[in-house]
Amino acid sequence: KQEVTQIPAALSVPEGENLVLNCSFTDSAIYNLQWFRQDPGKGLTSLLLIQSSQREQTSGRLNASLDKSSGRSTLYIAASQPGDSATYLCAPTDSWGKLQFGAGTQVVVTP
Amino acid sequence: GAVVSQHPSWVICKSGTSVKIECRSLDFQATTMFWYRQFPKQSLMLMATSNEGSKATYEQGVEKDKFLINHASLTLSTLTVTSAHPEDSSFYICSAGLGPPPETQYFGPGTRLLVL
Repeated sequence: KQEVTQIPAALSVPEGENLVLNCSFTDSAIYNLQWFRQDPGKGLTSLLLIQSSQREQTSGRLNASLDKSSGRSTLYIAASQPGDSATYLCAPTDSWGKLQFGAGTQVVVTP
Repeated sequence: GAVVSQHPSWVICKSGTSVKIECRSLDFQATTMFWYRQFPKQSLMLMATSNEGSKATYEQGVEKDKFLINHASLTLSTLTVTSAHPEDSSFYICSAGLGPPPETQYFGPGTRLLVL
């Protein structure tokens, strides 16, 4: 069974610093991996999707890398802003389309 | 595009009653819909996968008689929490799959259930 771990569990940084969020997974036979953002009491917003054949994916200030063989993905957020405060979830997808979510990293960006 | 809605967004009910939650894909047809629950400070746990016109597939440990899932059309799936108890209080999120398997999933905004 796929196990997904996200480190750190929580992170607080001043505005302007870069964020590094780590995700590790035990089963490397994934179809793709997604990073989501979840605001308190809200649903999920998809941030980035990396196919298993890709090494990284970028969208604006966000960059996600994937090392499938070692079971790791990292989400980088450049020049953080208070609006980036949220919980970030990573979720590898298996070939059946099932997502396995990590517990998330709770990020607080202080002005 | 690819918008998924849920109704209601929150519900409070008495212990012993049943609660129905709807999940709709608004601008696409979803052959597969997924139901998740999320406890406070915890991650999303897949409860079941439902395919239009067939019985849902439940994850291990999820009581199918407790959580009834009906996928009546390509745009609507419902989750009914039967005889709800306080321990069923949780955040329920659905997603709808678009495309051939493994589908890209689009998530609804969630439904918060509080059972008194």
